[in-house]
Amino acid sequence: QQPVQSPQAVILREGEDAVINCSSSKALYSVHWYRQKHGEAPVFLMILLKGGEQKGHEKISASFNEKKQQSSLYLTASQLSYSGTYFCGTERNSNNDMRFGAGTRLTVKP
Amino acid sequence: GAVVSQHPSRVICKSGTSVKIECRSLDFQATTMFWYRQFPKKSLMLMATSNEGSKATYEQGVEKDKFLINHASLTLSTLTVTSAHPEDSSFYICSARGPLRSYGYTFGSGTRLTVV
Repeated sequence: QQPVQSPQAVILREGEDAVINCSSSKALYSVHWYRQKHGEAPVFLMILLKGGEQKGHEKISASFNEKKQQSSLYLTASQLSYSGTYFCGTERNSNNDMRFGAGTRLTVKP
Repeated sequence: GAVVSQHPSRVICKSGTSVKIECRSLDFQATTMFWYRQFPKKSLMLMATSNEGSKATYEQGVEKDKFLINHASLTLSTLTVTSAHPEDSSFYICSARGPLRSYGYTFGSGTRLTVV
């Protein structure tokens, strides 16, 4: 039930781009994206509900494919503050609990 | 907004004692709350789903008698780690669905439990 997330880790220089992927073997009700800083709780970034949906704020955006089995998080022109571990969370239906991917550790260097 | 408050943030206890962790939704009602456990550099593993006024639903492999969950009101869920052992040391986080779907899940600040 846990989604598959890749890559495990990414190291970037400021200004570079990154893509993080999250996939499921079955169609999903929703995909959530969270960022967690060390020792802190995860912070909600966005939720995608519709197949083919794309959503974003500032330089962080995400897509949800038509089959609702795969989502990608796009980080463009990365900043130092983007460093942290990114998790996708997936729900199978509206009443379901959320399961998290293994996480992607993103490090942005000056 | 949708704020979830979790206390305590850190606790150190002796082996064999019990520890209670509280999770409160401050500005919305949460009929369902979720408890996760996180090991260093690992993902959040769902332990149980806490339902207001009824029994919690535990994930496979999670001991119900060891991790007691009570959801007595629409704004409070508690997790009690009973007869704690060093292997129970971990980061425990609660969460709740926000009042609107677009809010996603809101997390408490987490509790770092150390059993000595």
